[in-house]
Formats: sequence, C-alpha cells, structure tokens
Amino acid sequence: TQLLEQSPQFLSIQEGENLTVYCNSSSVFSSLQWYRQEPGEGPVLLVTVVTGGEVKKLKRLTFQFGDARKDSSLHITAAQPGDTGLYLCAGARGTDKLIFGTGTRLQVFP
Amino acid sequence: EAGVAQSPRYKIIEKRQSVAFWCNPISGHATLYWYQQILGQGPKLLIQFQNNGVVDDSQLPKDRFSAERLKGVDSTLKIQPAKLEDSAVYLCASSSSTGVYGYTFGSGTRLTVV
Repeated sequence: TQLLEQSPQFLSIQEGENLTVYCNSSSVFSSLQWYRQEPGEGPVLLVTVVTGGEVKKLKRLTFQFGDARKDSSLHITAAQPGDTGLYLCAGARGTDKLIFGTGTRLQVFP
Repeated sequence: EAGVAQSPRYKIIEKRQSVAFWCNPISGHATLYWYQQILGQGPKLLIQFQNNGVVDDSQLPKDRFSAERLKGVDSTLKIQPAKLEDSAVYLCASSSSTGVYGYTFGSGTRLTVV
C-alpha cells in the first residue's frame, strides 16, 4: 500500500503553461517535503511545510499543505523547460523516516 | 559544504554476483539512509542509521542485502547474490538529527543486473 499518492503520474506541457501536482494520503504527517529529481541525480529538496494550511512560495512555485496535514499541492506558474524533472513529495510522521510519494514526471517543451 | 558522495556511479553485474556501494555523508550528519529507486518511481527506504546504529531496516531484504556504518561516518551497502529485480538506482542520503527539515541526497549508483 502506497501511503502517498501523487497525481498526475505524467505531465507534458508547453512552456508558459501553468500546472498543479497533487500529493494525497489518508495519513497525517507532521511535515511534508517536495523534491525535484533530474535524470542521473539524486532528489533535491525544494521546500518543507510543517503547519496545516501553510503556503510557501519559491519564485514561480507555490506549495500548500492541507489543513488536515494529509495532502499537499505544488503549483508552477509559467512553466519553463528547466522545470522538467521528477517531482516527489515526501511525508514524515514525527521523527520517523520520510515516506516518498509515487512521483510526477514533468516534461516542459519549449 | 561538500555534498553526499557515492561511488561507483554505475555498475553492471551478472545475476548471482555480488556488488557493494559506498557512501560518505555530509560531515556532522548523524543520520544516514539508503534508498532504492526503481525507474520512474519514488525512492523506497532500505535502511536508516543513527550514528553507527540501525534505526530501521524493516524493508531491507536481509537474505541478500547488508549494510554497515562502522564508525558512524561512511557506509557500505552490499548485495549478494544479486537478482534481476535489484536493477535500480541506490541513493544515499544524510540529515542532521531527525531530518524533519530535509535530507541531502547523493547522486546515486545505477545498478544493472543482467
């Protein structure tokens, strides 16, 4: 059973379009992280959210943690080819290990 | 600061052979993790060390996988004997204390078992 389900699994868009990636679970997490992974590299941390309802912005990326701390979303405005990669959400419960989501592969065409 | 170092970057072996991966975490990071990532999927935790002690190895296939972190710094992950389904990227990550605020990953070792 996968604790963190991401949708969509694949996303292929043109440069300049907006997109949203969802990360859903039936479990409550004390914190949730988003990573981006490029081919041949390890995941790189983008953001950590810890408070229910929290919204964080990182340039064109907006991250939101659900009020109940069971879900999160990542919104990208005006996507660029450099945004291409595998986006992973990961949840932690207390001091327990991170559990990674199923991943969303984004391809942005020029 | 230097990142998490892993070697080798790539390895191709035949099934039933053995292989070992090495990881050097960020200096001062007490917690070290080994993850297995099948192509296109999210990483799956194999083992977590706190200093040189094992915190969680519940997902480690212990009949063929082993890992150690003898001095609380470097770590090695071994597979013996390898199976075709072990083909994956093996990622090492480290964090300070609990890692609630994020892990730092190495570039991984891509293993192909033929």
